[in-house]
Amino acid sequence: GAGVSQTPSNKVTEKGKYVELRCDPISGHTALYWYRQSLGQGPEFLIYFQGTGAADDSGLPNDRFFAVRPEGSVSTLKIQRTERGDSAVYLCASSIQGLPNTGELFFGEGSRLTVL
Amino acid sequence: ILNVEQSPQSLHVQEGDSTNFTCSFPSSNFYALHWYRWETAKSPEALFVMTLNGDEKKKGRISATLNTKEGYSYLYIKGSQPEDSATYLCASNSGGSNYKLTFGKGTLLTVNP
Repeated sequence: GAGVSQTPSNKVTEKGKYVELRCDPISGHTALYWYRQSLGQGPEFLIYFQGTGAADDSGLPNDRFFAVRPEGSVSTLKIQRTERGDSAVYLCASSIQGLPNTGELFFGEGSRLTVL
Repeated sequence: ILNVEQSPQSLHVQEGDSTNFTCSFPSSNFYALHWYRWETAKSPEALFVMTLNGDEKKKGRISATLNTKEGYSYLYIKGSQPEDSATYLCASNSGGSNYKLTFGKGTLLTVNP
């Protein structure tokens, strides 16, 4: 497809389980971002990739969260030992340029994670 | 701490009404101000990216202004339609980062037919 694709669109899991969320950005977009929107909040920055490397992972809340982008295209956000507080919509976005980025972000529809 | 504030939190208007929302952001180290529209079950869609003080941008019935000196932006919708119902998010990458966006909580607009 032409847009940013995220899978799964919905994921329900039990506390303590491992979860992977996938993002397929727009072809040719070198910059990729993960954001998280918790209930009642605006999207919150998690991590930014420029190509294959994580240029800024300062938004990852703790070491249970990890993200990769091994070939500079698809990215996977991995959450270990999920907790109820991880429940949120996880948004992926890509853009044509990274630094300086004054261009628009193209978002996917998000992956809604519910941890029971 | 970088805070992007949006008001009002929610808004109900009648079809045909014109409306506006406010976004305030820190004015120091400003790079850009983004507006996105997020309809339920869809992806957030960029409306405007503005970088210069005094910028005014327009897309159809929607327009936005930017004041970087005082740190605010207004989004205007003229003649609201039910399809304008969505959450409108603003985001700024001021504060030392030129790629990391800080979002407000959004304004939820409902347009009643």
